[in-house]
Amino acid sequence: GEDVEQSLFLSVREGDSSVINCTYTDSSSTYLYWYKQEPGAGLQLLTYIFSNMDMKQDQRLTVLLNKKDKHLSLRIADTQTGDSAIYFCAESMKGGRRALTFGSGTRLQVQP
Amino acid sequence: NAGVTQTPKFQVLKTGQSMTLQCAQDMNHNSMYWYRQDPGMGLRLIYYSASEGTTDKGEVPNGYNVSRLNKREFSLRLESAAPSQTSVYFCASSAGKEETQYFGPGTRLLVL
Repeated sequence: GEDVEQSLFLSVREGDSSVINCTYTDSSSTYLYWYKQEPGAGLQLLTYIFSNMDMKQDQRLTVLLNKKDKHLSLRIADTQTGDSAIYFCAESMKGGRRALTFGSGTRLQVQP
Repeated sequence: NAGVTQTPKFQVLKTGQSMTLQCAQDMNHNSMYWYRQDPGMGLRLIYYSASEGTTDKGEVPNGYNVSRLNKREFSLRLESAAPSQTSVYFCASSAGKEETQYFGPGTRLLVL
């Protein structure tokens, strides 16, 4: 099965908060990342969290990390239509490789 | 500062044809990567290069070769294209202890 799992779809209304969830398998991952992909574009790094942290906040974004459950979440406050995109969770690859293992992405749809 | 650039943006090939996808970065990063993205899936690592002169296989290397020409450039070659290689190809580079990866805009490849 996949090493990194995400739900496929989330729909919210403009102004609400969005919470995108992710589970990962490699407890030795040093960093965990959230990327955003808009249609026809490459991946844009949103934020990352070091594995010894529980929470990281960056403007409208809040990342929560539960290492015991290997669960990562991304909360977007005051969600805007411009936040509509696919959001990918990623962890450092096993075996010390610097490359990343990605989830299959969560499509966020923001309704006006 | 262009970041990561990729050429071409789009390409259509016939089965059996060969081509090289080009990638360059101007951020003086040591590590570079090639991923492919298929519909409804996250990115999968094809090859990566931890430094100039070194390359290693990723999850899905079959049918591809790479060249780390210098620190800036990392090319991906399809020697004999197959329809299963129809995908969007992303190049990325990284540096620093977080190994935060920065992505190019992608090359959309269709193999008929």
